[in-house]
Amino acid sequence: GQQLNQSPQSMFIQEGEDVSMNCTSSSIFNTWLWYKQDPGEGPVLLIALYKAGELTSNGRLTAQFGITRKDSFLNISASIPSDVGIYFCAGQRSGNTGKLIFGQGTTLQVKP
Amino acid sequence: NAGVTQTPKFQVLKTGQSMTLQCAQDMNHNSMYWYRQDPGMGLRLIYYSASEGTTDKGEVPNGYNVSRLNKREFSLRLESAAPSQTSVYFCASNRDFGEKLFFGSGTQLSVL
Repeated sequence: GQQLNQSPQSMFIQEGEDVSMNCTSSSIFNTWLWYKQDPGEGPVLLIALYKAGELTSNGRLTAQFGITRKDSFLNISASIPSDVGIYFCAGQRSGNTGKLIFGQGTTLQVKP
Repeated sequence: NAGVTQTPKFQVLKTGQSMTLQCAQDMNHNSMYWYRQDPGMGLRLIYYSASEGTTDKGEVPNGYNVSRLNKREFSLRLESAAPSQTSVYFCASNRDFGEKLFFGSGTQLSVL
């Protein structure tokens, strides 16, 4: 069953606001990934994190790999309407043949 | 460069009918995957193929079969569709385990 707990489940924000979402797990992961899914499309990788404590940015997006290796967060600054979509965290454990475990997703809606 | 291509985009089946979802990638990737996406559940791995000629069960394999026809193609078969298999199905691929996953645009399947 699901091993990643992603929150919040959904967010409805005003354009220009900052957004924060996170993922927690009872297990240790060696890689954390954040994906975005636009309506009617497949998920697309936003940020990949490979090291505990790592903080990585991609434009207005910033993600961190938790020190305990059991959590990660994603921040979006100054949201714009095209940020709308579903954001998924995904974790990968070593020796797990590369299979990813996905969180339940955070649905983001941005009001212009 | 099309990436990962899935067909069909939409399908409606009656309970007990069979069908095959097709997936092809043109990136010379070794590994291919089938996921299903259900509301509030994130993406769950059905089957995967680490390399041409191998397939393995994922998290939710019951009711499905797969075929890695060649390096490019990985099909998912529902032998006797059930309403519980109503979902959005995504094919994905990566060069090797642990590397960036590329997703197709999905197949929306309804089983009545």
